[in-house]
Amino acid sequence: GIQVEQSPPDLILQEGANSTLRCNFSDSVNNLQWFHQNPWGQLINLFYIPSGTKQNGRLSATTVATERYSLLYISSSQTTDSGVYFCAVANQAGTALIFGKGTTLSVSS
Amino acid sequence: GAVVSQHPSWVICKSGTSVKIECRSLDFQATTMFWYRQFPKQSLMLMATSNEGSKATYEQGVEKDKFLINHASLTLSTLTVTSAHPEDSSFYICSARDTGRETQYFGPGTRLLVL
Repeated sequence: GIQVEQSPPDLILQEGANSTLRCNFSDSVNNLQWFHQNPWGQLINLFYIPSGTKQNGRLSATTVATERYSLLYISSSQTTDSGVYFCAVANQAGTALIFGKGTTLSVSS
Repeated sequence: GAVVSQHPSWVICKSGTSVKIECRSLDFQATTMFWYRQFPKQSLMLMATSNEGSKATYEQGVEKDKFLINHASLTLSTLTVTSAHPEDSSFYICSARDTGRETQYFGPGTRLLVL
């Protein structure tokens, strides 16, 4: 099956710093989503981005499908950005998302 | 829009009892729903794919007789953990795919503790 690797596994930032999270995948995909899991476990949809670039406030994401990677950018980080960020992909229509191991982000004030 | 609910959010039960978890898509129809399991500090692992009106498809290593899945309508899927044991304690999360789209939406999860 498709493999998903995320890096770095852990990231510690000061408030206001910028960061880039990476997701590599082993096969072509028709679905790629980025999530933020909050301390209560809820997965928050950040982006649906199987290709191209999207922006939403301080967050943006780029997926280069031909090179099988996606990047999540967080600018001017805030303490509320802390948590685990997951990249998840699917390579067939209608199939389940396969998750990477996540990047744990800690933002301190 | 695109809200998925789960009930209950927390459940504590004695070993040997059965627990039912409901997953509902509140504002869209979901032909397909998925059930995941997450252990502390780990990623989400797919347990099964639930299709409305047909039998669920289970991932390798997941006991279908222990984790019963019923997808009786386009907005409801249920997961029943039968004869629960302490090793079944985990965080169970469902997701639903909006029919005709690829985006998947996740419920808030159910924390199960089996004593």
